Amino acid sequence: ELKVEQNPLFLSMQEGKNYTIYCNYSTTSDRLYWYRQDPGKSLESLFVLLSNGAVKQEGRLMASLDTKARLSTLHITAAVHDLSATYFCAVDTTYGQNFVFGPGTRLSVLP
Amino acid sequence: EAGVVQSPRYKIIEKKQPVAFWCNPISGHNTLYWYRQNLGQGPELLIRYENEEAVDDSQLPKDRFSAERLKGVDSTLKIQPAELGDSAVYLCASSGWTGWGNTEAFFGQGTRLTVV
Repeated sequence: ELKVEQNPLFLSMQEGKNYTIYCNYSTTSDRLYWYRQDPGKSLESLFVLLSNGAVKQEGRLMASLDTKARLSTLHITAAVHDLSATYFCAVDTTYGQNFVFGPGTRLSVLP
Repeated sequence: EAGVVQSPRYKIIEKKQPVAFWCNPISGHNTLYWYRQNLGQGPELLIRYENEEAVDDSQLPKDRFSAERLKGVDSTLKIQPAELGDSAVYLCASSGWTGWGNTEAFFGQGTRLTVV
């Protein structure tokens, strides 16, 4: 059974600081997704990582995938308040047909 | 282009009552998912459809939950009878085939169910 873990589960950081969220998974996969969820809202797709070594960047967020280590990271650079949300990673083992989500990392960026 | 549309957005019912949720996926997406998200947790898959066929319903509590996707487009998820523990957000998502794999899942706004 595929298990997806995230670390940390809660993160409070100050504006301007850098931090990394980690996503570990238990079985072989080369497809990993990052989503953002604001309170009371649905999930918004952030990044799609489809191969070992994939790196994607959008604004202050950068995601990477190491399939050998079964690890993905979401790096936050110079955080701003607007990044406050819950971030989920999801792993797929069947070519985009079965997404298993991690528990989420609740990020709060403080002024 | 419209995204995944769900209705209703909110539903409050008494326990033992039936409830139904509706989902219209993104046009052209063959794969449709129903997820349940409990407060403070990640979404958990209930059922996945490929066109009109339910290909993964292993996590669907079949004694009270049912789903259908007639004609391989819209889908309905039903709970009968509802229990207090069914209170959650029910999310519908869809993904499409690109030739080398499906896209990521695109989610609807969800239906927040409260059972009292």
